[in-house]
Amino acid sequence: DAGITQSPRYKITETGRQVTLMCHQTWSHSYMFWYRQDLGHGLRLIYYSAAADITDKGEVPDGYVVSRSKTENFPLTLESATRSQTSVYFCASGKAGGRADTQYFGPGTRLTVL
Amino acid sequence: GQQLNQSPQSMFIQEGEDVSMNCTSSSIFNTWLWYKQDPGEGPVLLIALYKAGELTSNGRLTAQFGITRKDSFLNISASIPSDVGIYFCAGRTGGGADGLTFGKGTHLIIQP
Repeated sequence: DAGITQSPRYKITETGRQVTLMCHQTWSHSYMFWYRQDLGHGLRLIYYSAAADITDKGEVPDGYVVSRSKTENFPLTLESATRSQTSVYFCASGKAGGRADTQYFGPGTRLTVL
Repeated sequence: GQQLNQSPQSMFIQEGEDVSMNCTSSSIFNTWLWYKQDPGEGPVLLIALYKAGELTSNGRLTAQFGITRKDSFLNISASIPSDVGIYFCAGRTGGGADGLTFGKGTHLIIQP
């Protein structure tokens, strides 16, 4: 049972480059999420998706693009990376409704933008 | 937007001591969750709370959903070295699994 995986685990890129972070879950959860974690800010929601082809902005969406063509995948793209996007990125997934609506996190991707 | 104030920011305790931490919100929450994060890992769910007044235990951990629905508490009894890590509270105002609002974390350090 793989659960939720992220790739790559570590990435170094340069300002202005496009970067895509991958997230894959094997639970068939309808919801998926992207968070970034920075010192002093905790975890902040970037985007989330309630189902395939449905996405919504979170607290800090600027500079990011997401897609969800398949239930199990939720890639996050930085179209033109900036130094302020250096962070640890976590993907999460969850079921919806009642006591099922908790979220389970992947191991994270540490992104450095030079 | 919603804000969660989590305290304390850090705790230095002796092994065997009990630990208490809490979160307060500017908004009423329908769900409170407590997560633990180890270095280099993603947060792991410890306890989920779904109604005001609810008290739930998970081994040595106990969490409560405050009556006002604007706060939650996590207690750890008889701390052990593997309890070291960062504990996050998280909450959600709506129904469904939309995004969570996270506290900034309590960093627990245990001295043997």
